[in-house]
Parts: sequence; structure tokens; C-alpha cells
Amino acid sequence: NAGVMQNPRHLVRRRGQEARLRCSPMKGHSHVYWYRQLPEEGLKFMVYLQKENIIDESGMPKERFSAEFPKEGPSILRIQQVVRGDSAAYFCASSWMNTEAFFGQGTRLTVV
Amino acid sequence: KNEVEQSPQNLTAQEGEFITINCSYSVGISALHWLQQHPGGGIVSLFMLSSGKKKHGRLIATINIQEKHSSLHITASHPRDSAVYICAVRSAPRDQFYFGTGTSLTVIP
Repeated sequence: NAGVMQNPRHLVRRRGQEARLRCSPMKGHSHVYWYRQLPEEGLKFMVYLQKENIIDESGMPKERFSAEFPKEGPSILRIQQVVRGDSAAYFCASSWMNTEAFFGQGTRLTVV
Repeated sequence: KNEVEQSPQNLTAQEGEFITINCSYSVGISALHWLQQHPGGGIVSLFMLSSGKKKHGRLIATINIQEKHSSLHITASHPRDSAVYICAVRSAPRDQFYFGTGTSLTVIP
């Protein structure tokens, strides 16, 4: 049973491009959480999803950011028209109900 | 005010020392996680606690639900323990994670 898989591990985008970050939860996990870690800062919650539903997106920036967790396939965090301030490490975690959450290795986004 | 407060922010220890990192939280929780993050690395979950105490090797984690406090102890610390340790709580009833700012631990040989 593979752990939480995130890809790519490193992503470089030019300002104005789109970034797509993928998170494949552990097998059997139906809950996915996305977090962002800005340079020299702690982890901040972004969004909590269950299959085909956004449960809590209170941590998502109001514009340019969106997330989905379709019935089939990985969860996707999409950032449109990236800016330098979007450069960060993006982590996802998955769990089943209230069981232990497992974290991925993260995607390090660099906007140049 | 942050929902999760950790102390100390930075900690330097000699190899072999006993280390304690503290975490206090202000929200109702269903569980508390202790996480480890190496520089440039991913996040590893060390413990999930909802009550009492857990031990794994040289690591011990305790939680006091009434006092809303948890501690992570490392016995016989080793340079490979050098990392950032993060306390995270899973809030209840709103199922969301809140994170402490982390404790940066350096163990000197």
C-alpha cells in the first residue's frame, strides 16, 4: 500500500502560467487535505475535500486557486496565473474518516 | 492568537540529552498529531493521539485533554533527530487541521 503520492515533487512555472499539483491519497482514503508552507513560515490549511465534494475551503485564496477530488483519480490543486508569492511547498494529507492522517512528500512550486 | 502554540521555537541539544517539546491548543479536538519535517523534505507523522501516551522507540508522546496540552519527548537524542517537529490538531466538530509553527531541533554530536 503506497503512501500518499504527490507529483510533481518540484514544479517551476513562469509568472502567468498555470500550476497543477496532484495528490493521490492512500488506498481506501476518502478525505484529502491540502496545505501550503510558505518560505520560513509554518503550514497553513487550504482546503478539505471528500470524494466529489469540497467540505471546507476557508483557507483557499479567493482568486486563482481551486481544488477538486473527483470520483476517480487524484485530487488536483490548480493555481491559475501564478505569481511569485505562490512559490511555496504544497502538501496534501489523506485519511479515512477520523483515522490517522498521512502526509505526502509535497510539491515545491517555484514561480520565476 | 494561534489555535496551536509550540515551545520552544528553536532547540539545540547535545547528543544523548533528553528533549521535550510542548504543544498547547485552544480548540476542541478529535486528535493531535506530532509531525517531523527534515530540511527540504516531506512530512512524516510520528504519532496520532487522542488520549494518554504513546511510545515508539526513543520517542514518547503524551496528551492531557483537560489541560489541552501535549508533549513530545526524545530520549537519548541523536544528530539524526535534527529536524522540525510540528504539532497539529484535528479540530472537532469542524474537521480541520491546525498547525503549530514548529520546533527546530538541532542535536550536536
